[in-house]
Amino acid sequence: DAGVTQSPTHLIKTRGQQVTLRCSPKSGHDTVSWYQQALGQGPQFIFQYYEEEERQRGNFPDRFSGHQFPNYSSELNVNALLLGDSALYLCASSWDALNTEAFFGQGTRLTVV
Amino acid sequence: GQQVMQIPQYQHVQEGEDFTTYCNSSTTLSNIQWYKQRPGGHPVFLIQLVKSGEVKKQKRLTFQFGEAKKNSSLHITATQTTDVGTYFCRGAQKLVFGQGTRLTINP
Repeated sequence: DAGVTQSPTHLIKTRGQQVTLRCSPKSGHDTVSWYQQALGQGPQFIFQYYEEEERQRGNFPDRFSGHQFPNYSSELNVNALLLGDSALYLCASSWDALNTEAFFGQGTRLTVV
Repeated sequence: GQQVMQIPQYQHVQEGEDFTTYCNSSTTLSNIQWYKQRPGGHPVFLIQLVKSGEVKKQKRLTFQFGEAKKNSSLHITATQTTDVGTYFCRGAQKLVFGQGTRLTINP
């Protein structure tokens, strides 16, 4: 049984570009949450998707958007990249939107230059 | 919005010493979760506390949830080198993580 998988593992982008990160949840999970983790900091909640809709959102600008597909996989899109967007982006899945135990993927390390 | 504060930010101990990290919320939490992140790794779920005053144990780890459901603690007895990492609490209601407590151990 595969856990949460994220792709790509590493990515380098230039300021102003757009990026799409992908996440496949653990089998049986229908809720996906995205987090941004800067070096030495705790994960910052971006948003959560359940039943293909954004259910909760953290304090992130509209440049951060997402999508959930019928198979529960999810994408995180970031437009007009800034240097400050460089971070580890973590995807977490859980089996319901009531926020029970979350399983995290290994993350995507995004570097903006 | 909901804020979750953790103290201390860093803790260095000798192997065999005890370790405690504290989590305080600005609002009442419906439940709280604890995660451990090893260096270079991703957060791994440890436990969830739901009831006021709840205490749960996992071998050398003891988790407590305050009576007012606004604070929590994680205590490790007789630390081992495998305990190294950053410990985070998360208010499951609003999915907000604390800043974490980074534990380093001198063998």
